[in-house]
Amino acid sequence: NAGVMQNPRHLVRRRGQEARLRCSPMKGHSHVYWYRQLPEEGLKFMVYLQKENIIDESGMPKERFSAEFPKEGPSILRIQQVVRGDSAAYFCASSHPSAPNTGELFFGEGSRLTVL
Amino acid sequence: GQNIDQPTEMTATEGAIVQINCTYQTSGFNGLFWYQQHAGEAPTFLSYNVLDGLEEKGRFSSFLSRSKGYSYLLLKELQMKDSASYLCAVRDRGAGSYQLTFGKGTKLSVIP
Repeated sequence: NAGVMQNPRHLVRRRGQEARLRCSPMKGHSHVYWYRQLPEEGLKFMVYLQKENIIDESGMPKERFSAEFPKEGPSILRIQQVVRGDSAAYFCASSHPSAPNTGELFFGEGSRLTVL
Repeated sequence: GQNIDQPTEMTATEGAIVQINCTYQTSGFNGLFWYQQHAGEAPTFLSYNVLDGLEEKGRFSSFLSRSKGYSYLLLKELQMKDSASYLCAVRDRGAGSYQLTFGKGTKLSVIP
């Protein structure tokens, strides 16, 4: 039973380019969360999605960032016109819809974005 | 909002016991979580407390006092592989109650 799969694991972009990060949740999980981890900082919530719906994007910057979780395929976090401050590890997590009380999240290994 | 504090680093000896503290402030508490994160890897779930008291799971135990806004993670019989960051996270009862707010993590180094 594969865990949460993220790719790419490492991504290097120049300022102004676009970054696309993909996440496939665990089998049977329909809730996806994206968190960002800056160096020496804690994980920060960005967005919560269910299939074809953005439930809460309150932690995501209003500009340049977008997320989707289509009916088919992985969830995608898209960062347009990247800046150096976007350099971070982006973690995707998923949870089973029947486990809302424990709130246990299963994390992927993260995508590490470096902006030159 | 929420504020979570935990020590930045700790060092302990193999075979010993270590306690990692976490204090939090939240407007509507709805659960406290501990995650373990090895360098460069995914955080993995360790424990969940929503009521006061001690939850034991093998070598790891987690304690919660809601009135004090305080939790600790207790690791017994430390092994070298326990060297990792330990993340305290709180869930708020308000809107977005699925959101976890994480502390910066405590980096534990286990030495021989």
